[in-house]
Amino acid sequence: DTAVSQTPKYLVTQMGNDKSIKCEQNLGHDTMYWYKQDSKKFLKIMFSYNNKELIINETVPNRFSPKSPDKAHLNLHINSLELGDSAVYFCASSRLVNGGYTFGSGTRLTVV
Amino acid sequence: DQQVKQNSPSLSVQEGRISILNCDYTNSMFDYFLWYKKYPAEGPTFLISISSIKDKNEDGRFTVFLNKSAKHLSLHIVPSQPGDSAVYFCAADQGGSEKLVFGKGTKLTVNP
Repeated sequence: DTAVSQTPKYLVTQMGNDKSIKCEQNLGHDTMYWYKQDSKKFLKIMFSYNNKELIINETVPNRFSPKSPDKAHLNLHINSLELGDSAVYFCASSRLVNGGYTFGSGTRLTVV
Repeated sequence: DQQVKQNSPSLSVQEGRISILNCDYTNSMFDYFLWYKKYPAEGPTFLISISSIKDKNEDGRFTVFLNKSAKHLSLHIVPSQPGDSAVYFCAADQGGSEKLVFGKGTKLTVNP
């Protein structure tokens, strides 16, 4: 009964491909996020959505497009994948930012 | 431009002893701080937090101390247990921005 689930857990793909990562939360939270953990282990926010509306977009290339069909889902679509996109992507949700983040288990994306 | 720094990539402690994890920040506008714990192949999980109006918050074996003048916080785990072995991330928030800024993490190993 996972609170924040993201699929797939592992994704290996070739440069230039388009791929999507899905995220769903069953906590009833209003806000969802995508974070990227790069090779240097930094966890950095990419996007945040509140009730399906984009709140934060942190200078992420246009190739990354989040989509929130409803407040329980926030999917991440990546076009024209590049080697530098290889990272672990974490989805998270919160009702309130102060301590309320619940993270998914991550999607390890490897671009070859 | 690291606003949240965890300068020790790793820490090794004997079971039963105290673990002290440190975190420094540069942005004086941060007003809420959190610690997350992460096991391999899992997402970070919220551990404990502290508001800038406090200098200490305790929850069981975990205590977070905040020194605003030094822009420093620390997480104390007493007594340390082997199950505490994980990567610990310090994170900071500014005015409920819904955008947590994370440190690089410190890998704690508690030896039996």
